Amino acid sequence: DTEVTQTPKHLVMGMTNKKSLKCEQHMGHRAMYWYKQKAKKPPELMFVYSYEKLSINESVPSRFSPECPNSSLLNLHLHALQPEDSALYLCASSQEDRLNSPLHFGNGTRLTVT
Amino acid sequence: QKEVEQNSGPLSVPEGAIASLNCTYSDRGSQSFFWYRQYSGKSPELIMFIYSNGDKEDGRFTAQLNKASQYVSLLIRDSQPSDSATYLCAVSGGGSNYKLTFGKGTLLTVNP
Repeated sequence: DTEVTQTPKHLVMGMTNKKSLKCEQHMGHRAMYWYKQKAKKPPELMFVYSYEKLSINESVPSRFSPECPNSSLLNLHLHALQPEDSALYLCASSQEDRLNSPLHFGNGTRLTVT
Repeated sequence: QKEVEQNSGPLSVPEGAIASLNCTYSDRGSQSFFWYRQYSGKSPELIMFIYSNGDKEDGRFTAQLNKASQYVSLLIRDSQPSDSATYLCAVSGGGSNYKLTFGKGTLLTVNP
């Protein structure tokens, strides 16, 4: 069982909907990440939070809005998505945002935009 | 542009054999190297990491790193059908950049 918990496991939303993905970790990690993964592709980094502050935004469209309410929680707010945004969204955490800090992934949210 | 290259496979080995997965990277300054296993439809799972040249063993898994050749590999001994998955090589480091760069993954199939 993963120690990074993501909800929901599956989400179907229309292009006009607003929804949120949630992620929680209780490992005391100080860095949290959002990745997007399309089928048969590697994960693509979207956002990095370090000590609850946004440290990296990989030029992600504004229809994706991250939020880090505290050191254990990470949200991804979704609005006006496109069908091509359908993918597996992965949350990850690491002890620090440093070179030798392995990422631990959650189970992911499978998002379908209709 | 930092690149991490893996043979996409599929790599097919019989049960009980040694599976050898290879990865090369372009950034000579890379410092940390990770192997993730990903079952179809599931999330990546960390199985090994290595920072220094040489071998690192953990159970049936051995990671090998050769920084001079910019090459990292994963050996799986006594392969089991449950090892069938995509194996992602990930590399970080190089200057102040700690971001992970993933390879495209190698699909491993272990045949009973």
